[in-house]
Amino acid sequence: GAGVSQSPSNKVTEKGKDVELRCDPISGHTALYWYRQSLGQGLEFLIYFQGNSAPDKSGLPSDRFSAERTGGSVSTLTIQRTQQEDSAVYLCASTIGRGETQYFGPGTRLLVL
Amino acid sequence: SQQGEEDPQALSIQEGENATMNCSYKTSINNLQWYRQNSGRGLVHLILIRSNEREKHSGRLRVTLDTSKKSSSLLITASRAADTASYFCATDWADGLTFGKGTHLIIQP
Repeated sequence: GAGVSQSPSNKVTEKGKDVELRCDPISGHTALYWYRQSLGQGLEFLIYFQGNSAPDKSGLPSDRFSAERTGGSVSTLTIQRTQQEDSAVYLCASTIGRGETQYFGPGTRLLVL
Repeated sequence: SQQGEEDPQALSIQEGENATMNCSYKTSINNLQWYRQNSGRGLVHLILIRSNEREKHSGRLRVTLDTSKKSSSLLITASRAADTASYFCATDWADGLTFGKGTHLIIQP
């Protein structure tokens, strides 16, 4: 079946604008994760959704970052009032359950000018 | 937070040789996963090894796990040019995966 998809592939925005990044997980996967990969920081965990439970937001770097997952499937990561340090590749992964293999999407490359 | 640390940071070998990458981590884990990434995008899952396993094989890949030393190794045998990529270990405990900074592997023809 189809893998994890993300959109857009690339996003260029101006500092201070809001952006929305979308993730479509693999059908049937109950868990969804967002990660960020930036130069000098490597890959870092942002947020985790498991089914209809409240998300684990422990990795979000600031209150400008939020995410939601509608109907237990598609997820949107929103960054408000973007800053240049938000420039990174944002990766989404899904898995059938916690502790199982995570399958990653191709990522969204965000550039904040 | 716990973090996998890969060693070496960069490795360049001739095609056909074996490549070995190591990973160390700090605290208890449920499992450890190895990923490959080409050109800064698209993490590809290679192998998941659980904390109660010691060795796992997949094609030309062999992963070992030593929980007493909190370390893992990834061996790629008979390397090919297409194996050129960055390789990451990731530990799975509570809050998603925690990644190391990766080993950049270059296979020279």
